[in-house]
Amino acid sequence: GAVVSQHPSWVICKSGTSVKIECRSLDFQATTMFWYRQFPKQSLMLMATSNEGSKATYEQGVEKDKFLINHASLTLSTLTVTSAHPEDSSFYICSARDSDRASYEQYFGPGTRLTVT
Amino acid sequence: AQKITQTQPGMFVQEKEAVTLDCTYDTSDQSYGLFWYKQPSSGEMIFLIYQGSYDEQNATEGRYSLNFQKARKSANLVISASQLGDSAMYFCAMREGRGNTGKLIFGQGTTLQVKP
Repeated sequence: GAVVSQHPSWVICKSGTSVKIECRSLDFQATTMFWYRQFPKQSLMLMATSNEGSKATYEQGVEKDKFLINHASLTLSTLTVTSAHPEDSSFYICSARDSDRASYEQYFGPGTRLTVT
Repeated sequence: AQKITQTQPGMFVQEKEAVTLDCTYDTSDQSYGLFWYKQPSSGEMIFLIYQGSYDEQNATEGRYSLNFQKARKSANLVISASQLGDSAMYFCAMREGRGNTGKLIFGQGTTLQVKP
């Protein structure tokens, strides 16, 4: 099946620094990718929809300037958490749809655990 | 308003027995899709089963089946012959509309524990 990777799988950063998380579709092209965040024992909350070659669409309440999304190619989307604070500590998961298939399935990455100290 | 509702925060089931995880949804779209995912403690999201709004038959995938009751707007997951490895968090999700760009909205999740 289709594979989505995320890098890094976990990261610890100091408060005030920025951290970049990569989401790659390894064996398919993805015009659209999605970024979610998940707090412990809670649901996945959609943060934004990442569109290749255009600006991301952010969900209500998500700060665009804090969570920068860049979808520069059909296989790579990045999420940059700028000026991170402890409350940004969370599990970030990306997913992608296969652009070439009329499939309903959405493929998820393994997630990135961010801890801000 | 909550679009996907899972009312069972936690469930227990005895190994080898069947268990039903509840999910109700709310949408005004005629075309939508319903998904179930499993999330073990490792955090990965594992796709289990899909039901399209126009599918007349209930979806089945191995030990998983989806009890789709469109008029009641419910899409319950049935796991037969539970195994210890089924212990995980389970999420119901919905995608509204057609096309490949539809975002998924997730329910609150149900933690399932399978007892030996």
